[in-house]
Amino acid sequence: DGGITQSPKYLFRKEGQNVTLSCEQNLNHDAMYWYRQDPGQGLRLIYYSQIVNDFQKGDIAEGYSVSREKKESFPLTVTSAQKNPTAFYLCASAGQGQETQYFGPGTRLLVL
Amino acid sequence: QKEVEQNSGPLSVPEGAIASLNCTYSDRGSQSFFWYRQYSGKSPELIMSIYSNGDKEDGRFTAQLNKASQYVSLLIRDSQPSDSATYLCAVNWGRGYGNKLVFGAGTILRVKS
Repeated sequence: DGGITQSPKYLFRKEGQNVTLSCEQNLNHDAMYWYRQDPGQGLRLIYYSQIVNDFQKGDIAEGYSVSREKKESFPLTVTSAQKNPTAFYLCASAGQGQETQYFGPGTRLLVL
Repeated sequence: QKEVEQNSGPLSVPEGAIASLNCTYSDRGSQSFFWYRQYSGKSPELIMSIYSNGDKEDGRFTAQLNKASQYVSLLIRDSQPSDSATYLCAVNWGRGYGNKLVFGAGTILRVKS
């Protein structure tokens, strides 16, 4: 089955801790994206990557970091600098030159 | 400032009625438009995309685009309780932006049986 997987489904972060959210796709998509969704709000772009070893900041990149060492993987690290990390995190991907984005199931991050 | 505006709702319609969801956007250079459905606690799933002015139909769903007026709408015919969800409008800001989508906050639709 082709698709996008995210893990874990729920993640708990202690204050001052860095945590990493996993996103993997087997759709052979070139572009991958990370969004954050807060209750009652739309999705806001954190980072995106069009090709391996390259990524760009989105609208709310502060306090987050990413890497794109493999085409199928785009992990997101929520650093201790992100003071309000509680949110639903969504990973998406799109084929080369394609605008339609497809989403993974999401990771819900909660702060202890 | 790239903005996509949607009425947050909730929009309540009786089962079998037509639900009409609207979205406006600020940038005239926008080329591509998408409607996603998001059930509570789940991730968005693509319903339709539209690129040209006019109507595009897919089953019970019709997307309408008017670039001159900068709005895009989604009609759901014969609404079912299973259509109850949040509907997100997304706009692509065109080439040179790396195919980034900007999302509206979504409209909550409730279909009452």
